[in-house]
Amino acid sequence: AQSVTQLDSHVSVSEGTPVLLRCNYSSSYSPSLFWYVQHPNKGLQLLLKYTSAATLVKGINGFEAEFKKSETSFHLTKPSAHMSDAAEYFCVVSVRLGDMRFGAGTRLTVKP
Amino acid sequence: GAGVSQSPRYKVAKRGQDVALRCDPISGHVSLFWYQQALGQGPEFLTYFQNEAQLDKSGLPSDRFFAERPEGSVSTLKIQRTQQEDSAVYLCASSLRGIGTGVEGEQFFGPGTRLTVL
Repeated sequence: AQSVTQLDSHVSVSEGTPVLLRCNYSSSYSPSLFWYVQHPNKGLQLLLKYTSAATLVKGINGFEAEFKKSETSFHLTKPSAHMSDAAEYFCVVSVRLGDMRFGAGTRLTVKP
Repeated sequence: GAGVSQSPRYKVAKRGQDVALRCDPISGHVSLFWYQQALGQGPEFLTYFQNEAQLDKSGLPSDRFFAERPEGSVSTLKIQRTQQEDSAVYLCASSLRGIGTGVEGEQFFGPGTRLTVL
């Protein structure tokens, strides 16, 4: 079985400073890993995904994540936060189509 | 639009009432998923369709929950005799590929239906 733990329920940063959202996963098989973002009253949007290719994955809006098998981590980063980044972020692990396990989410707040 | 749409966006039901939630996936997408997202939680898998076949319904919480996709496109999630614990946002997602393709395809999510059971 696979699962995901998002280590912070809430992260607050100032605009222009780096963002780090932490995710650890557990999986018996080689997983696919995803980060989704959810803005209020909008659908979940895929930021990036890892599927056993390059361990450093670049996504949309300047986000990137690094797959570290030894640490079972897939942390999401961005060098400089923008006000529009304020949203809920979900880390997701999957070992087969149709079996996606979401973390509990991290709410990102960006202060001006 | 070209995305996944869901209706209604908001539904208030009295306890014991039956509800039906609709999902229109992206045209041509083979896979369709339903998720339940409780307040402050991540989405949890309910059921999965590949075309019209319901291949996995292991996440449905009780036999009061029923989903169908009769023509392999639009799907309906029905909840009978709603209870307060059914209050949640119900998300639908679709994906271009089906099981067995060997590649995990991106799931495109709709905006969800917020169900409140009084």
